[in-house]
Amino acid sequence: KNEVEQSPQNLTAQEGEFITINCSYSVGISALHWLQQHPGGGIVSLFMLSSGKKKHGRLIATINIQEKHSSLHITASHPRDSAVYICAVTHPGTYKYIFGTGTRLKVLA
Amino acid sequence: EAGVAQSPRYKIIEKRQSVAFWCNPISGHATLYWYQQILGQGPKLLIQFQNNGVVDDSQLPKDRFSAERLKGVDSTLKIQPAKLEDSAVYLCASSLDGGPGSPLHFGNGTRLTVT
Repeated sequence: KNEVEQSPQNLTAQEGEFITINCSYSVGISALHWLQQHPGGGIVSLFMLSSGKKKHGRLIATINIQEKHSSLHITASHPRDSAVYICAVTHPGTYKYIFGTGTRLKVLA
Repeated sequence: EAGVAQSPRYKIIEKRQSVAFWCNPISGHATLYWYQQILGQGPKLLIQFQNNGVVDDSQLPKDRFSAERLKGVDSTLKIQPAKLEDSAVYLCASSLDGGPGSPLHFGNGTRLTVT
């Protein structure tokens, strides 16, 4: 079992829909990260969370430390949101990143 | 602020050939990482440098992979000889100091195809 699990693996949505991507982890962490990877390969950091909730534009990330679970929400989705969304956690001692396998999102116009 | 620069963007080689990738991190970033990302998987750490010293290379296949960061700035990753299973995207990332408050900044990656 992977230390970081994401669901769903693939998601197709219509433009304007509200999207939720989930991440569960089984290890102690110092922080959880949501990353976005476009088809070209580059990865952009969206959020770094250690508690609560963060919002940036149409993106909202939440974390429940007790349940070891985080969600990434996209409101009013748009085709340009199509990408792979990766959840990663950092180990509290070494700060090493442990990555999930990603959720491939496709938003149709 | 200039981002993490990687070259080349794409490389196609035959098995048993050698290949090298280059990375220039964000100026002032002490920590540099090389990750291998196989299609459909998350990135896997190959090696982590702190300045010009190696912090973690436990998952680097040392019989064929090598990496250096001689002056503590840019870095090269080499594969010699390449195998079919090395086909992947090789991502370089840097962070200010590798600590909990320093997020990773990724380059655009090098997509390697071994035929």
